Amino acid sequence: AQSVTQLDSHVSVSEGTPVLLRCNYSSSYSPSLFWYVQHPNKGLQLLLKYTSAATLVKGINGFEAEFKKSETSFHLTKPSAHMSDAAEYFCVVSRNSGGGADGLTFGKGTHLIIQP
Amino acid sequence: DAGVTQSPTHLIKTRGQQVTLRCSPKSGHDTVSWYQQALGQGPQFIFQYYEEEERQRGNFPDRFSGHQFPNYSSELNVNALLLGDSALYLCASSFDRGRVFYAGELFFGEGSRLTVL
Repeated sequence: AQSVTQLDSHVSVSEGTPVLLRCNYSSSYSPSLFWYVQHPNKGLQLLLKYTSAATLVKGINGFEAEFKKSETSFHLTKPSAHMSDAAEYFCVVSRNSGGGADGLTFGKGTHLIIQP
Repeated sequence: DAGVTQSPTHLIKTRGQQVTLRCSPKSGHDTVSWYQQALGQGPQFIFQYYEEEERQRGNFPDRFSGHQFPNYSSELNVNALLLGDSALYLCASSFDRGRVFYAGELFFGEGSRLTVL
């Protein structure tokens, strides 16, 4: 079985300051990990993904995440927040190999608020 | 290039009714997955279709069924609607080359918002 825990339901930062969205995962297999963003009334968009290559993953719009196996974490960061970053962010885990019927497992989401 | 399109965007049903939601995948994609997103929650996997067959299924009752057509489009059917079925239903497509397990990128539609009264 696999699961994802997003440690903060809401994060508020000022424009121009760093962003940190925290995610811990649990997986019986070597996982693939993703971050998706959902803007209001829009579909989900992939920000970045980790699939057992480099542990530091760079995504779109200046976001990056670091896979830390020892801490079972996959935190999302951005050096400088922009007003357009205000959205809901989901950490997602998928089994990397094997068989089963789990599909993707989403966290409950972190609502990112950007203060002007 | 059109992305994933879903219809209808909004609909209202009453308890006990049946609903059909439709999805057209991104051009070139062969796999369609359906997710249910309740208010304030992350999406939950319902099932996935590949080559017109259900390949994977999440923890949803048999009231939830689906279909994939030869052109890769898909339908989600929900029978005997309950109040708890009110949610945003998301369709996602991918090109999986027949792999059992997904490890690539899903492209999501904007969803169909179902309200059950």
